[in-house]
Amino acid sequence: QVQLVESGGGVVQPGRSLRLSCAASGFTFSSYGMHWVRQAPGKGLEWVAVIWSDGNNKYYADSVKGRFTISRDNSKNALYLQMNSLRAEDTAVYYCTRDLSFIPDYWGQGTLVTVSS
Amino acid sequence: QSALTQPRSVSGSPGQSVTISCTGTSSDVGGYNYVSWYQQHPGKAPKLMIYDVSKRPSGVPDRFSGSKSGNTASLTISGLQAEDEADYYCCSYAGSYTSVFGGGTKLTVL
Repeated sequence: QVQLVESGGGVVQPGRSLRLSCAASGFTFSSYGMHWVRQAPGKGLEWVAVIWSDGNNKYYADSVKGRFTISRDNSKNALYLQMNSLRAEDTAVYYCTRDLSFIPDYWGQGTLVTVSS
Repeated sequence: QSALTQPRSVSGSPGQSVTISCTGTSSDVGGYNYVSWYQQHPGKAPKLMIYDVSKRPSGVPDRFSGSKSGNTASLTISGLQAEDEADYYCCSYAGSYTSVFGGGTKLTVL
């Protein structure tokens, strides 16, 4: 069955960096695009970024463009999110999700990122 | 990339039907048939309930159905059950390989 397991969350000071990882299993990872979606505490879902199956195309929400970078390693079945210049408003649970027709289908359990001094 | 508009809350009694709306623009909901709906119970990850406007993934009860008219998509849950109480989110492709979510709707089963 499809499994997505995020890691790398934690508490980080404003302006610092953090790298999230997602380990995928149960499907042919290299055949699917992947998304990151986040959810601030008590708030709704926000689409963050998508990367195509071959890793050659990446697209971002305006709120993170220029600060976050999505990447993948198909040899390791892994998805990443490099987050730089973090702000308090980036505090959220970050979900790794698989793509289905431009929208997420399977979701991981999420990893919490807290940006605070 | 403005969020899609959903009612903040809806409610219904067991056995009844409820409909949750999701309003966007011609640049997202109205422009593509890539609308999906997610169910999220407290403390859990979202679960895909509807994709491509009206398709149900395997394992999702046929009590859940989706539709779209113009810039507004809808999720209808018939034969409400206690376990349907959750937050529901719509999502649409918004062009240029980006996606946008709705603000979420809290469904209360009375």
